[in-house]
Amino acid sequence: AQSVTQLDSQVPVFEEAPVELRCNYSSSVSVYLFWYVQYPNQGLQLLLKYLSGSTLVKGINGFEAEFNKSQTSFHLRKPSVHISDTAEYFCAVSDWDQGAQKLVFGQGTRLTINP
Amino acid sequence: DVKVTQSSRYLVKRTGEKVFLECVQDMDHENMFWYRQDPGLGLRLIYFSYDVKMKEKGDIPEGYSVSREKKERFSLILESASTNQTSMYLCASSLGGTGSDTQYFGPGTRLTVL
Repeated sequence: AQSVTQLDSQVPVFEEAPVELRCNYSSSVSVYLFWYVQYPNQGLQLLLKYLSGSTLVKGINGFEAEFNKSQTSFHLRKPSVHISDTAEYFCAVSDWDQGAQKLVFGQGTRLTINP
Repeated sequence: DVKVTQSSRYLVKRTGEKVFLECVQDMDHENMFWYRQDPGLGLRLIYFSYDVKMKEKGDIPEGYSVSREKKERFSLILESASTNQTSMYLCASSLGGTGSDTQYFGPGTRLTVL
């Protein structure tokens, strides 16, 4: 079974600074990877996903992530954050169970932007 | 846009009560999921369904059951609520058929069991 580790539970940064949120997954022959964001008092929404091809994936709101097969990592980055990026971020890997796709989530990283 | 709705945003119940959480999606998705979200633990899968009347256990099914009588509706049932089931419950749906599907989430139900 797949597993995901998010290495930081909380990341505080100043506004307009760059940020990296780290994610490692267990190895597999082929893998689909996702980053979701949860704004306060809301459900999760997709930021970006890696399926195949280019290892640099661009998502919404200026975020991007790099798939690194040798390091089994899928770190999320943004060059300049805004107050509105304050949220919890979840990395997830796709797994198959009983004939259906399911997602295995990491523990989450709470990103706090300070003015 | 896909819309996933959940019947309540906040719910307070007593220990031992039977609790129903309802989820409806409007995009004819095959797959539906129930998760619970707890601080530091991320999202954990309770049950999922890939077809009407079909259900599969997730990682933490104990104390829960589900029902899917219609394609668009997936219900989570707590037969006898306990305080350790106080949590945020999230429903999601996906098109189905491939591992690359995006899951679409509802806004969540914050359940408190007293």
